[in-house]
Amino acid sequence: QKEVEQNSGPLSVPEGAIASLNCTYSDRGSQSFFWYRQYSGKSPELIMSIYSNGDKEDGRFTAQLNKASQYVSLLIRDSQPSDSATYLCAVKRTARQLTFGSGTQLTVLP
Amino acid sequence: NAGVMQNPRHLVRRRGQEARLRCSPMKGHSHVYWYRQLPEEGLKFMVYLQKENIIDESGMPKERFSAEFPKEGPSILRIQQVVRGDSAAYFCASSPQNREGTTEAFFGQGTRLTVV
Repeated sequence: QKEVEQNSGPLSVPEGAIASLNCTYSDRGSQSFFWYRQYSGKSPELIMSIYSNGDKEDGRFTAQLNKASQYVSLLIRDSQPSDSATYLCAVKRTARQLTFGSGTQLTVLP
Repeated sequence: NAGVMQNPRHLVRRRGQEARLRCSPMKGHSHVYWYRQLPEEGLKFMVYLQKENIIDESGMPKERFSAEFPKEGPSILRIQQVVRGDSAAYFCASSPQNREGTTEAFFGQGTRLTVV
């Protein structure tokens, strides 16, 4: 079992729709959860962090965390073509590495 | 406040040479991660360091690869006797020290290593 699992996609949504990205993790001791966006040929960019169960909203992005289910998700509202990228889920516990999933490729169709 | 700085951005080495990749963390950050990424693949963890200490090197190949983060100066990822399979993008990320683990890591622009 991979430590962090994501659907590789590709996931395609029409412009203006909600994109839903999912991630599960295996380490119950994980404390910190992150979503990164990576455009082709570029470095990962941090877009959301979440540490407690529930929802966290930042603009068009909402991160959701359920530690009991070991599940974290990212919702992107009013998706734009510029949101087309690979989205990486990352998980961390203290004094351990920051572990990434393999990423979900999102395409927003104009 | 400058971001994470990596250099060089592009590095070409012949098989058998040494490659040295540098990473200067963000100001105030004392922790550094190194990752390797092949085209169309995910980020593979290599090593996690704090100043003068290796915290986790479980992703480092046993031979030819080493990393350091001295008290002064950048973190260095060193690859000895490079082979074509070492060709990849190498990313560094830094974070501040935080005992509770709630720390955000920020990435540099990466070094693209090509072995010819």
